[in-house]
Formats: sequence, C-alpha cells, structure tokens
Amino acid sequence: NAGVTQTPKFRILKIGQSMTLQCAQDMNHNYMYWYRQDPGMGLKLIYYSVGAGITDKGEVPNGYNVSRSTTEDFPLRLELAAPSQTSVYFCASSNRENTEAFFGQGTRLTVV
Amino acid sequence: EDQVTQSPEALRLQEGESSSLNCSYTVSGLRGLFWYRQDPGKGPEFLFTLYSAGEEKEKERLKATLTKKESFLHITAPKPEDSATYLCAVLGGGSQGNLIFGKGTKLSVKP
Repeated sequence: NAGVTQTPKFRILKIGQSMTLQCAQDMNHNYMYWYRQDPGMGLKLIYYSVGAGITDKGEVPNGYNVSRSTTEDFPLRLELAAPSQTSVYFCASSNRENTEAFFGQGTRLTVV
Repeated sequence: EDQVTQSPEALRLQEGESSSLNCSYTVSGLRGLFWYRQDPGKGPEFLFTLYSAGEEKEKERLKATLTKKESFLHITAPKPEDSATYLCAVLGGGSQGNLIFGKGTKLSVKP
C-alpha cells in the first residue's frame, strides 16, 4: 500500500514561476488536505477537500489553488511563486473529518 | 480563536527516564485531539485520537490522556528510537476539517 504519494520531493523555483505539487492517495479517502510547515511553526492548512469536485480554503490559501477531479488526486498549484512560499508542503488524507490523517513524505520548496 | 500550545519546546531524556509532554488547548466544541510523531524529513505519523475528557490511549511506551483543557503524552522508559518531534492538533466545533497544530515538542533520548 503506497498510502499518500507526493511529487516532487524537492524543488527550487525562481520568483514569479509557477508549479504544481502532485498528491495521490490509494486508500479511497474522501478527505484530502494540503498543509505547509515552516521552521518553528505548526502545520498550517492551505486547502482541503471533502470529496471529488469539492474544495475549500483553509487558514493560509493566498497564492495557491487546488482542484479535485478524482477521489485519488489533489494537486496544489502555485502561481507567481514568492519567497514567502518557501516551505515544506504536506498532503494528507483521511476517511472522515475527525479521524486519523495519513501524511505524505512532503515536498521541500525553495523560492529564490 | 482555536489555539494549541505545546510544552516544552524541547526535551532531553536519558534512556529509561520517564517524562510527559503537554498540549494545552482552547477550542470551541472539541471534536478530537490528535497526537502525531514526526521524524526529520518525514511526514507526521498518526499516534492517537482522543475525543472526550477522561479518555486514555496507550501504544507501547506511549500513553495519551485528555482533560477539558489539556492533553498529556506520557513516555515510559523511553528508548533512543523514541526520539522525534511530537505534534498535538485539535479539531474544533467551528472548523471545517481544519486541524489546528501546535508547534511540537522535540524529544531527544540519549542512550
């Protein structure tokens, strides 16, 4: 069982570039989440989805976009990358809202 | 505003030296308190979910407890492999899928 798979693991972007962080889960979970983790800070929710076709903003959505066309995939799009988006990004999924979430290995993004 | 505070920020123990990590929270209508373990360069790994005050859960050397204001993660006779950052998170009644995470406690266990 692969669980939650994120690609790429590392990426360096120049200011103003765009990219998509990929996330896929094979557990048939309805809920999927994108978090960012900055040094010395707690994980912050960027966007989440409760099912295919349904997404909603989390605590820090500015500068990001998401889509959920299938149950399995939940890509995160960065438009016009800024240095403030340098962070480690984690995708997660869960069966229901208040049950355990399974996290991917993370994508370390640096914007220069 | 929902808030989670973890203490201490870092904890160094000798192998076999038991201790506790604290997670204090303020949330309207707690729907779940979660403990995760995070190793360097990895994603958080689920440990426990607690739903109501008085609830306790155990896993190997770890035991999590919950009151109306805080949760404790007790570590009994820790081993070096227990070294990691332990994260606490809460899901409040007013949120929609938004887990509020604390900053974590970095535990180091020396042999």
